[in-house]
Amino acid sequence: QTVVTQEPSFSVSPGGTVTLTCDLSSGSVSTYYYPSWYQQTPGQAPRTLIYSTGTRSSGVPDRFSGSIVGNRAALTITGAQADDESDYYCALYMGSGIWVFGGGTKLTVL
Amino acid sequence: EVQLVGSGGGLVQPGGSLRLSCAASGFDFSSYDMIWVRQAPGKGLEWVSFISTSSGTKLYGDSVKGRFTISRDNAKNSLYVQMNSLRADDTAVYYCARVRAGAGTYYYMDVWGKGTAVTVSS
Repeated sequence: QTVVTQEPSFSVSPGGTVTLTCDLSSGSVSTYYYPSWYQQTPGQAPRTLIYSTGTRSSGVPDRFSGSIVGNRAALTITGAQADDESDYYCALYMGSGIWVFGGGTKLTVL
Repeated sequence: EVQLVGSGGGLVQPGGSLRLSCAASGFDFSSYDMIWVRQAPGKGLEWVSFISTSSGTKLYGDSVKGRFTISRDNAKNSLYVQMNSLRADDTAVYYCARVRAGAGTYYYMDVWGKGTAVTVSS
């Protein structure tokens, strides 16, 4: 069974930089998993932030960036703002229409 | 405006059935693969099911295989999931989402419906 792991929680100061990661139980995350990232606030549908590792979705501020760091997919927020306080989910594409989501990271901005 | 609107959720007893719908508007629905994703209370997102543009490919997560059936009606711009033999652990908000698939370039969900809540309880 494929398990995708994210930090359960993270905290960042306003204006600070934070990197959230996405790890794969069965090995390294590479660009071939087409990592994508989604932001979700309570009671709302997810919002697409990043796809194909590092491409920002339309309308997403450039303070959000995606990359591969070591063996993991990473989402970096540079200059965090109060309204970045959300849950963040990564998703890895397994092929043939199947995705596995990470457990999500609850980001606190304080 | 590109939009997905889910409906059909509600309270159902264990062992019961429910059919969720997702109405698409603002884009050529027939040209996009679609998926269902769910989120149990206080939990993360879980991929549930996938359907290709022409319904030729249908895939299911292990937790729903054999109980859920995904379908679509391109003439009605609608996506469905028929949920049978429902269990308490199927309790979740169910989201429909549009898939962007770019032949080795990108694979992700770019439009999400607002979600419809399903509660399985006696």
